[in-house]
Amino acid sequence: GDSVTQMEGPVTLSEEAFLTINCTYTATGYPSLFWYVQYPGEGLQLLLKATKADDKGSNKGFEATYRKETTSFHLEKGSVQVSDSAVYFCALRSNFGNEKLTFGTGTRLTIIP
Amino acid sequence: GAGVSQSPSNKVTEKGKDVELRCDPISGHTALYWYRQSLGQGLEFLIYFQGNSAPDKSGLPSDRFSAERTGGSVSTLTIQRTQQEDSAVYLCASSEEGGYGYTFGSGTRLTVV
Repeated sequence: GDSVTQMEGPVTLSEEAFLTINCTYTATGYPSLFWYVQYPGEGLQLLLKATKADDKGSNKGFEATYRKETTSFHLEKGSVQVSDSAVYFCALRSNFGNEKLTFGTGTRLTIIP
Repeated sequence: GAGVSQSPSNKVTEKGKDVELRCDPISGHTALYWYRQSLGQGLEFLIYFQGNSAPDKSGLPSDRFSAERTGGSVSTLTIQRTQQEDSAVYLCASSEEGGYGYTFGSGTRLTVV
């Protein structure tokens, strides 16, 4: 079945550092890929998405590129801020069957000033 | 409504009691999903509705769990004879048919004591 593997946290970085959170997936066909973010005390929000190979999703300075050859969708940001502290979830939606999302276990990111 | 509304936001119940969790999706969203987020775990898919029918119930962990959706709108997740391992945050999300992004509610935090 479909699965998503994320880099384990927690991750602690200093402000303005470069961020990478690794995500790889296993799925049949050509899934759509997503990053969701959960800020403290808030619900899950869609951060960015990519629906086909080589697409790059971007939002709020975050980027992720759909790499079919390595089955990866790593999240990157060039200069993190304290306000980026949150839990980040990688997810996929298979293009076969229903539309449910399969999530990774989440990575807790803490940015220190 | 403007977002996905879940109630109650917090529920403490005694082991063995039944609980009902409610989800009110965004008006017009035909797809509705229930997920469970346990401490230190990712998001576990429970059930998916398209309209009033549930084409995928594969994630329901046991026959103590059931869900229904009426009028293509509000959904109720019922847990009978609750156990301590049912303690988690139960998240509801909705999306347009064929839409890529989910909108999540803030969740119901269930604690079984």
